Amino acid sequence: AQKITQTQPGMFVQEKEAVTLDCTYDTSDQSYGLFWYKQPSSGEMIFLIYQGSYDEQNATEGRYSLNFQKARKSANLVISASQLGDSAMYFCAMRPHGNFGNEKLTFGTGTRLTIIP
Amino acid sequence: EAQVTQNPRYLITVTGKKLTVTCSQNMNHEYMSWYRQDPGLGLRQIYYSMNVEVTDKGDVPEGYKVSRKEKRNFPLILESPSPNQTSLYFCASSPGRHTQYFGPGTRLTVL
Repeated sequence: AQKITQTQPGMFVQEKEAVTLDCTYDTSDQSYGLFWYKQPSSGEMIFLIYQGSYDEQNATEGRYSLNFQKARKSANLVISASQLGDSAMYFCAMRPHGNFGNEKLTFGTGTRLTIIP
Repeated sequence: EAQVTQNPRYLITVTGKKLTVTCSQNMNHEYMSWYRQDPGLGLRQIYYSMNVEVTDKGDVPEGYKVSRKEKRNFPLILESPSPNQTSLYFCASSPGRHTQYFGPGTRLTVL
């Protein structure tokens, strides 16, 4: 079974500062994918970034980067130069690659990020 | 535009009145799935489908049914809704392992 832990229920960050959202995971699978999603107050789930367990480099997508430390089983999301529009709920999720057929994502409980002007 | 659509977006109903939440995707994805989101619990999978006529239970299937008669559609059926099924529901589809596309969500209240 997989488990995702997000220990920060809420965070407040000054606009333009960088922010790190923590995510640790537990799995016995050797090959898996890690995902981050953003959920604004409007409710939709927006895919941000993906990291494969065998990817040698940390994933980056614009202002988002994933600090992947495989030995520590952590996959923290880093948002550089935060903006007011970054205020949202953020979810870390994972999926083992060995689950033939079911691409189920296992989600953490989320971190609510608030950007302060 | 590539998208996953859900209807209705908001629904208030009463205990025991059968309802269906529709989900449709226009990306020709084989894999589709339903999740429910509850405060403090994140998203949990209800059912999934690998292809037409192929469905299976997720982590919380009790009280739900699904069908996959066409590739693009994956409706979620609540035969006899109860208050503990009050939740935010998401449909998702996927072309493969790297990305899942989520619908806009359906906020369901069962009185």
